[in-house]
Amino acid sequence: EDQVTQSPEALRLQEGESSSLNCSYTVSGLRGLFWYRQDPGKGPEFLFTLYSAGEEKEKERLKATLTKKESFLHITAPKPEDSATYLCAVQLPFGNEKLTFGTGTRL
Amino acid sequence: EAGVAQSPRYKIIEKRQSVAFWCNPISGHATLYWYQQILGQGPKLLIQFQNNGVVDDSQLPKDRFSAERLKGVDSTLKIQPAKLEDSAVYLCASSSRFSNTGELFFGEGSRLTVL
Repeated sequence: EDQVTQSPEALRLQEGESSSLNCSYTVSGLRGLFWYRQDPGKGPEFLFTLYSAGEEKEKERLKATLTKKESFLHITAPKPEDSATYLCAVQLPFGNEKLTFGTGTRL
Repeated sequence: EAGVAQSPRYKIIEKRQSVAFWCNPISGHATLYWYQQILGQGPKLLIQFQNNGVVDDSQLPKDRFSAERLKGVDSTLKIQPAKLEDSAVYLCASSSRFSNTGELFFGEGSRLTVL
C-alpha cells in the first residue's frame, strides 16, 4: 500500500532558527512529489512540485529537495508568518492525477 | 482568475440528518476532486471526476455518500445519513492537464460538524 509519512508532527522554532521537515514515501513509482502549505481554516496552498531525485526548488525562505525515498522542506531563518501546517503528497505515474497526502507537520 | 468556490463554509447537523456541499471549480479545469480532511490528518480523496465521469471513487463510503458533476462543471457532495465520524472539512479541488506544475487548486473547504 502506498504510504506517505511526515515528521515531525509538530515543530516549534524561534524566529531565525532554521530546520527541516521530512516526508518519506513508499510508493510503486513516483510521478511527482508535492508540497503544500495550509493555514488554519483554509484549503492547502501549492508550494512546489518535484519530479526526480536530486531536484531542488526554492521559494523565499523555503527549499524543497527530493531523493528516491524522501523529500525535505528546509526552512531558513523562519518568520512568524511561516507558521502553518506543511503537507506533502505523492502522485503516481499511472492512471489519474490524484494526490495522496501525508498527515502534515505543524510549524 | 477566480479560485475554487465552495459552500456552505460551515454546517452543523444532527446525526442521521443529510447535508449537501457545492463546489464550483476553476473555469476550464476538467478534473475535480473531493477530499475529506479530519482534524489533525491530511486530506483523503473521496472521489475524482474527469469532466462529468467518475475516475476514482474507491474510498467513497457509497452507502451514505454520493457525488455528482452535472455538465462537467459544478459538483455536489451529499451525505445521507450523517454519522458522528463524518465530522470533517470537505475540500474541493480542481486541476488542468495543461498545468506545468500538475498542482491541484483547493477551495477553502466546508466544515461539517455532526452532533
